[in-house]
Amino acid sequence: DTGVSQDPRHKITKRGQNVTFRCDPISEHNRLYWYRQTLGQGPEFLTYFQNEAQLEKSRLLSDRFSAERPKGSFSTLEIQRTEQGDSAMYLCASSTNRVPNSPLHFGNGTRLTVT
Amino acid sequence: DAKTTQPTSMDCAEGRAANLPCNHSTISGNEYVYWYRQIHSQGPQYIIHGLKNNETNEMASLIITEDRKSSTLILPHATLRDTAVYYCIVRPPLEAGNNRKLIWGLGTSLAVNP
Repeated sequence: DTGVSQDPRHKITKRGQNVTFRCDPISEHNRLYWYRQTLGQGPEFLTYFQNEAQLEKSRLLSDRFSAERPKGSFSTLEIQRTEQGDSAMYLCASSTNRVPNSPLHFGNGTRLTVT
Repeated sequence: DAKTTQPTSMDCAEGRAANLPCNHSTISGNEYVYWYRQIHSQGPQYIIHGLKNNETNEMASLIITEDRKSSTLILPHATLRDTAVYYCIVRPPLEAGNNRKLIWGLGTSLAVNP
């Protein structure tokens, strides 16, 4: 199965620490998205890349958050100085612009717990 | 804010059809209707999408009303593994160059019972 892969699946960290998550999209997909989901809520958009360019960022993405996709393949999401409110599931998705209205395909997320 | 409204929860007997409604009364002419589902502790899974014609694939059927203000996702023979939260989302075509993000509501929690 060559679906979207996220690592790690779970991360527990202490408040104030930095964390980094990785996403490997479906190989032929040039679009990559990060979403955040808290318990009982739908996913919330964080940011979007087309190839290596970060084209859109949500206001939810404070200056403690940074995302990169340096070679247009995998992406990383870093959270600096984590806070308890950052506890959530972080979801990555990818899609292609070669198929009109191609749906997003999601990974199984990284669950972050900040203690 | 999400542009769709869905019932909070539904039940369905195993082997029967599950019909999940969605209202999207403010949908624009070029916006598509997408359905995803999310099984506990997993990422959302794409099911189906459509513009105005009914659509069917190996997972489900999508029925969109003629005025496009509502739609129904049909799982023809529900199994226990279909127990999940089902999200209905409207989205403009990517080629429009705007609003690439999906805006999610709370979805419908479907319980398939033996």
